[in-house]
Amino acid sequence: QQQVKQSPQSLIVQKGGIPIINCAYENTAFDYFPWYQQFPGKGPALLIAIRPDVSEKKEGRFTISFNKSAKQFSLHIMDSQPGDSATYFCAASKAAGNKLTFGGGTRVLVKP
Amino acid sequence: NAGVMQNPRHLVRRRGQEARLRCSPMKGHSHVYWYRQLPEEGLKFMVYLQKENIIDESGMPKERFSAEFPKEGPSILRIQQVVRGDSAAYFCASSPEPRGETQYFGPGTRLLVL
Repeated sequence: QQQVKQSPQSLIVQKGGIPIINCAYENTAFDYFPWYQQFPGKGPALLIAIRPDVSEKKEGRFTISFNKSAKQFSLHIMDSQPGDSATYFCAASKAAGNKLTFGGGTRVLVKP
Repeated sequence: NAGVMQNPRHLVRRRGQEARLRCSPMKGHSHVYWYRQLPEEGLKFMVYLQKENIIDESGMPKERFSAEFPKEGPSILRIQQVVRGDSAAYFCASSPEPRGETQYFGPGTRLLVL
């Protein structure tokens, strides 16, 4: 049973555009929501994370928006660059340090 | 400070053989997690271990798979009698004591079963 649904599966934007990736979860016990970036042949690297008591969090060009009532959260990449081309995964866990449940991933391509 | 290390990076096995995947967590980290990533899919949790203890193995298949994290040495994920469906990337992650929010992932082991 997939508990975190991620969309779209792939996304193409021009340099400077704002890719938006959406995730929805089912389990209301989840209270930690990280986003990971993965380049081909590499392991996932943590980008940014949020907890349900915060509606938005920014770190550099990456912004998470969180809607607790809708059980949805999204990642925005501001002023996207070709170097941002990667696969992005949302995830959720019940408490810090517990197992992560990942979404299916979004492959982002930023064209020069 | 070296990151999470995994070896081998690539492993080829024939059906019926055994696969052993090793994970050395970051220095000072005593919590290890194993995840499996099938082609074009997200990562799926397999098992969570602390030193000498299995904390959560709810994602691990009941047969042929086992994991350990001994007092000394790396964590080992062992797959006996591999089948083609075991072909995947296996990632290890570690977090510090006490359990931190961030799980740091290794580069993965890509297992191919012929």
